[in-house]
Amino acid sequence: KQEVTQIPAALSVPEGENLVLNCSFTDSAIYNLQWFRQDPGKGLTSLLLIQSSQREQTSGRLNASLDKSSGRSTLYIAASQPGDSATYLCAAQTGANNLFFGTGTRLTVIP
Amino acid sequence: NAGVTQTPKFRVLKTGQSMTLLCAQDMNHEYMYWYRQDPGMGLRLIHYSVGEGTTAKGEVPDGYNVSRLKKQNFLLGLESAAPSQTSVYFCASRRGGGAKNIQYFGAGTRLSVL
Repeated sequence: KQEVTQIPAALSVPEGENLVLNCSFTDSAIYNLQWFRQDPGKGLTSLLLIQSSQREQTSGRLNASLDKSSGRSTLYIAASQPGDSATYLCAAQTGANNLFFGTGTRLTVIP
Repeated sequence: NAGVTQTPKFRVLKTGQSMTLLCAQDMNHEYMYWYRQDPGMGLRLIHYSVGEGTTAKGEVPDGYNVSRLKKQNFLLGLESAAPSQTSVYFCASRRGGGAKNIQYFGAGTRLSVL
């Protein structure tokens, strides 16, 4: 069974800093790796999806990379803002309907 | 543009009671999912459906049943609720099974079983 781990569980940074969130997975046979954002009391919002044949995806200030051989993905957030405060979840898809989630990193950006 | 709508948002049940959670999507998606989210654990898949009239078990299906009578709706039922089913339940949908298709999530249902 795929195991997805996110470290650290929580992170606080001052506004304007660049930061990296880490995700590791145990089974490299993935369809894709996805990053989601979850705000308190809300559902998940998809941020980036990296297909297994890709190395990275970018959207605005967000850049996600994928290294299947080492079982790692990172989410880079540039010039962090207080509005970026949320929990960030990564998920590895290993089949058409098998999406395995990590427990998330709770990010706080301090004004 | 509603997306994925879950009802109810909150519910408190007593042990042994039954209830149905409703998920509705207006994006004409084929695939729909039910997850539960518990503290210290990632979201776990309960059941899913790849089309109207079809359902399949996920990682943690015990104690739950589902139905997909209409393409836009996916119902999750608890026949006899147990305290272990206290959780936040999320519904999701996606267009199809391709590797590029992302899942769209509802806002969740917070369920407490006393």
